[in-house]
Amino acid sequence: EAGVAQSPRYKIIEKRQSVAFWCNPISGHATLYWYQQILGQGPKLLIQFQNNGVVDDSQLPKDRFSAERLKGVDSTLKIQPAKLEDSAVYLCASSPPGLEPYEQYFGPGTRLTVT
Amino acid sequence: EDKVVQSPLSLVVHEGDTVTLNCSYEVTNFRSLLWYKQEKKAPTFLFMLTSSGIEKKSGRLSSILDKKELFSILNITATQTGDSAVYLCARGGSQGNLIFGKGTKLSVKP
Repeated sequence: EAGVAQSPRYKIIEKRQSVAFWCNPISGHATLYWYQQILGQGPKLLIQFQNNGVVDDSQLPKDRFSAERLKGVDSTLKIQPAKLEDSAVYLCASSPPGLEPYEQYFGPGTRLTVT
Repeated sequence: EDKVVQSPLSLVVHEGDTVTLNCSYEVTNFRSLLWYKQEKKAPTFLFMLTSSGIEKKSGRLSSILDKKELFSILNITATQTGDSAVYLCARGGSQGNLIFGKGTKLSVKP
């Protein structure tokens, strides 16, 4: 079974530039999550999708971050414009349908450096 | 925001030692508590503890949940250098999301 795919693996940009990350979840997984993990911290949820609908985006800085999952499969996360404090690893995760969705499968992440 | 607090933040041991990692959480409407291992980038799932399963074991790793005292521990016996990683504790949120602690960085020296 293929895992969660993410690209790119690394990205370096200057502040005020824009960047986009892509995630393809495990086939059949209805729920998709984007997490931000700053160095030395645990992952923090940015947005959660159920199929192509948003379940929770309460911690997404909506003035600069956006995310979509148009067809309910893969997803993109965009930052525009980037700030220095956005430097982090962006993790995508998915979970299968069911009553206990907490067993999430993570992708390899994208390490973003904003200079 | 409900917190998940892990301790210690870092730990250095020698191969063969036994370690205990701690996780406490502040929530009354408990759903589940999970442990993940993060070596490079992606956290990998270890255990999920719920009301119906408060003790789990897999090889040298085991975990218990104390719902009354709101904490969990992860035990690793006979540690190996391959156990070196960050161990993350997370509790299940109301929408199926995970709320993570900062993690415990474990270093196992040969």
